[in-house]
Amino acid sequence: KNEVEQSPQNLTAQEGEFITINCSYSVGISALHWLQQHPGGGIVSLFMLSSGKKKHGRLIATINIQEKHSSLHITASHPRDSAVYICADYNTDKLIFGTGTRLQVFP
Amino acid sequence: ETGVTQTPRHLVMGMTNKKSLKCEQHLGHNAMYWYKQSAKKPLELMFVYSLEERVENNSVPSRFSPECPNSSHLFLHLHTLQPEDSALYLCASSQVFGLSPLHFGNGTRLTVT
Repeated sequence: KNEVEQSPQNLTAQEGEFITINCSYSVGISALHWLQQHPGGGIVSLFMLSSGKKKHGRLIATINIQEKHSSLHITASHPRDSAVYICADYNTDKLIFGTGTRLQVFP
Repeated sequence: ETGVTQTPRHLVMGMTNKKSLKCEQHLGHNAMYWYKQSAKKPLELMFVYSLEERVENNSVPSRFSPECPNSSHLFLHLHTLQPEDSALYLCASSQVFGLSPLHFGNGTRLTVT
């Protein structure tokens, strides 16, 4: 059974801190998605990666295929980064989601 | 604006009602999805349509009935729902199922009374 686990479940930070959110999956992947969900429900796709590292602005996503692990990093965090971050593993026509990490960044 | 539009944003219905959720995308994507998000649970994939054909149905109760009349529109028909069906229902699209970024609508917050 393919499972996706995220840690931590909840995270608070002060503005400017470096943030790391972790995602582990149990079965090999074709692609790993990182999503951001703001209060109110809207979800935005941040990254889709199957190897290495991707960067967009202050966000960096990395993946280690051998360890079945991905991380999402936020540099110089800001209150507007407060959201739920969700990873999802796509493998053999199945898209399995983690339960999400709730991030709150305080000024 | 995500390119995926869902209506209505909020819906309250009784258990004997029939209602439909609508999703529309003009991104030229070939795959469309319905997801359910209940409180403190992961997103659950309900249905996937690729090139207007249903490719996945994760054992969803028959009181939920999807319809994909064309590649730009997706409906979720609801009838005789239960209170535990109250949730956020999200529509998404992507160029290719699973292997391209997902574009989500803002969701419909459904309450079944």
